[in-house]
Amino acid sequence: AQSVAQPEDQVNVAEGNPLTVKCTYSVSGNPYLFWYVQYPNRGLQFLLKYITGDNLVKGSYGFEAEFNKSQTSFHLKKPSALVSDSALYFCAVRFAYSGAGSYQLTFGKGTKLSVIP
Amino acid sequence: GAGVSQSPSNKVTEKGKDVELRCDPISGHTALYWYRQSLGQGLEFLIYFQGNSAPDKSGLPSDRFSAERTGGSVSTLTIQRTQQEDSAVYLCASSLGVAGYEQYFGPGTRLTVT
Repeated sequence: AQSVAQPEDQVNVAEGNPLTVKCTYSVSGNPYLFWYVQYPNRGLQFLLKYITGDNLVKGSYGFEAEFNKSQTSFHLKKPSALVSDSALYFCAVRFAYSGAGSYQLTFGKGTKLSVIP
Repeated sequence: GAGVSQSPSNKVTEKGKDVELRCDPISGHTALYWYRQSLGQGLEFLIYFQGNSAPDKSGLPSDRFSAERTGGSVSTLTIQRTQQEDSAVYLCASSLGVAGYEQYFGPGTRLTVT
């Protein structure tokens, strides 16, 4: 079974400071990893993904994430936080192979990011 | 271009009634997914459609839940004899394929069972 852990329910950061939202995963075999953001009363918006290749992936709105296979982590980062980054962030994983039941995403519980002006 | 759309945006129903939730995926996307988001359970996978293949129903919580996808496009999620524990936001997503493609989500339907 695959699982995702986001150890922090909430992260507070001052505007202009770097931010990190943590994610660790458990999956048999190679993972596909994703980050989504959810604003209040909105659906999920795709930020970035790791499929293969470079461990550092860059995504929308200046976000990036680093895949670390040995630590089974995929932390989301941004060099300088904006107040508008305040939202709920979800990490997700799925198997990187074909087969029944392999295509759905398994999500973490989410981390609420608050950027303080 | 147009994103994933869902209707209705909100649905209030009485316990025991049936409800239908609709999803219009992004044009050209062959894969379609339904998820449920609730405070207690987070985001849960319900069902997945890919092209003309049999759907993956492994996430449906009970036989009161069913879904269909007509013409490889629009999908309807039906909940029969609704219960209060069915109250949640139902999210639909679509993707270009199933390999490494990201899923794009609709705004969701908030279902409240009274």
